[in-house]
Amino acid sequence: QKEVEQNSGPLSVPEGAIASLNCTYSDRGSQSFFWYRQYSGKSPELIMSIYSNGDKEDGRFTAQLNKASQYVSLLIRDSQPSDSATYLCAVTGGYQKVTFGIGTKLQVIP
Amino acid sequence: KAGVTQTPRYLIKTRGQQVTLSCSPISGHRSVSWYQQTPGQGLQFLFEYFSETQRNKGNFPGRFSGRQFSNSRSEMNVSTLELGDSALYLCASSLRMGLAAADNEQFFGPGTRLTVL
Repeated sequence: QKEVEQNSGPLSVPEGAIASLNCTYSDRGSQSFFWYRQYSGKSPELIMSIYSNGDKEDGRFTAQLNKASQYVSLLIRDSQPSDSATYLCAVTGGYQKVTFGIGTKLQVIP
Repeated sequence: KAGVTQTPRYLIKTRGQQVTLSCSPISGHRSVSWYQQTPGQGLQFLFEYFSETQRNKGNFPGRFSGRQFSNSRSEMNVSTLELGDSALYLCASSLRMGLAAADNEQFFGPGTRLTVL
C-alpha cells in the first residue's frame, strides 16, 4: 500500500467550477499535511498546509482534513485555466520525512 | 527574503561519471531535503539534512550521498552515473523546528535537470 495515494487524473473541470482533489494516507501518526501545485517543467510551489481537523481557507483554496478517515482534500473555487497543473499532496509526522503522493493533474477547460 | 537556489540548473553527463549538485536554503532554514522526480514516479525522497546531520534517508543506493555545511548549504553527489539517474533533482528548504504544519512547510528550489547519456 502506498503511503500517500492520489488519483493521477487527469481531472477535467470547466472554468468557474469547483475542482475537488483528494488524498488518502496510511500513517495514522501523520500530523502535518500540505498541498503543492506544480506547473509543467517547474518545481512544486506550496499552496497551503493544514494541521488540525476541519477546513482551512486561503482565497479560492480550501483544504479539508479528516484524520479519523485519513483523508485530506483541496477544493479550488472558481477554477481558472491558470489553475491547470499537477497538485501534490504531502504528509509528515514529527520529524519524519515528508512523503508525497504521485500528484493529480488538473485541467481547467475554458 | 531570497528563495532556495540550486546549481547548476542543467547538467549532461555520461554513464560512469559522477556529479555534485548544490543547494542553498532560505536564510534561517536548517533543513534541506533532496528529491528525485521522474515522469510517472513522482517525487522520490533521497535524504534530509538538519544542522549538518542526516535526519532521514530514502531508499536509494549508496551511490547517492549528501552532506550539509555549517551555513546550511547542502550538496548531493551521485557516483557511477546510470542512465536511470536522468531526472529532475529538487531540494527543499524548511525550518523543521516544531510539529505544527507551519514549522514543516518545505520550499523548493528550481531544480537541477540531470541527463545521463
